[in-house]
Amino acid sequence: QSALTQPPSASGSPGQSVTISCTGTSSDIGAYNYVSWYQQHPGKVPKLLIYDVSKRPSGVPDRFSGSKSGNTASLTVSGLQAEDEAAYYCSSYAGSIVVFGGGTTLTVL
Amino acid sequence: EVQVVESGGGLVQPGGSLRLSCAASGFSFSRSWMHWVRQAPGKGLVWVSYINSDGSRTGYADSVKGRFTISRDNAKNMLYLQMNSLRVEDAALYYCVPADLPWGQGTLVTVSS
Repeated sequence: QSALTQPPSASGSPGQSVTISCTGTSSDIGAYNYVSWYQQHPGKVPKLLIYDVSKRPSGVPDRFSGSKSGNTASLTVSGLQAEDEAAYYCSSYAGSIVVFGGGTTLTVL
Repeated sequence: EVQVVESGGGLVQPGGSLRLSCAASGFSFSRSWMHWVRQAPGKGLVWVSYINSDGSRTGYADSVKGRFTISRDNAKNMLYLQMNSLRVEDAALYYCVPADLPWGQGTLVTVSS
C-alpha cells in the first residue's frame, strides 16, 4: 500500500496559478476516476475540494480544478489568494483500499 | 446540513481496545460509503478503513488489518470502528468521512502507558 507521491512544497504569488501533482500507479490513479483533493489549514479539519478527478462540491470556488493523465492527477489553483496557503492532499481509490498522498504545503509569496 | 460527529476516543494503554462511533445526519447515510481516516499530530492524512453502503464490503490499511473492524448501522445512521491490540503508532485524530462530503471534527485516540 504505497502512498501517492506529492511534492512536499509549492509556491506562487497572488494572482498566479499553481499546479500540484499527485503520482500513483496503474493500480490506483491510473485505474480509477476516483481521485479527490483536500485542503487543510493548520489546526483545521480537511476540506474536500475536488472529487471524482474534477468535480467540485458546492461552495468550492472554480479557481480550484482537477485533472488526470495516466497515473498522475493534478490540482490547479488559479488566481492565488492569501487564504489558499494551506496543506493539500490527494487520495485515490485503489480497489479494496484508498491511498493518500503525503501532502503538499502551498505557500503564497 | 451534512454533519458527522465522532466520539469514543480517549487514552488507552498499548494492547488495549477502543470503539469509535460516528453519528451521521443531513445526508443519505444508508446510500453512502464511509471511511475512517487518521492524522497523527503534525503528520499527514492516512486512510484507515472503508465500508460500502450496505456493509457488505470493507477494506483496511495493512497497518490495521486484523486489529480494527469497521461496521455500520444504517437504521441508526451510525458508523463504528472497533480498535483492538492498539499500538503507540495508532495514536491520532480519527476522522469519520462520508464519501465526497464534509468531514467531522475527529476524535482523539492516545495510546500510552
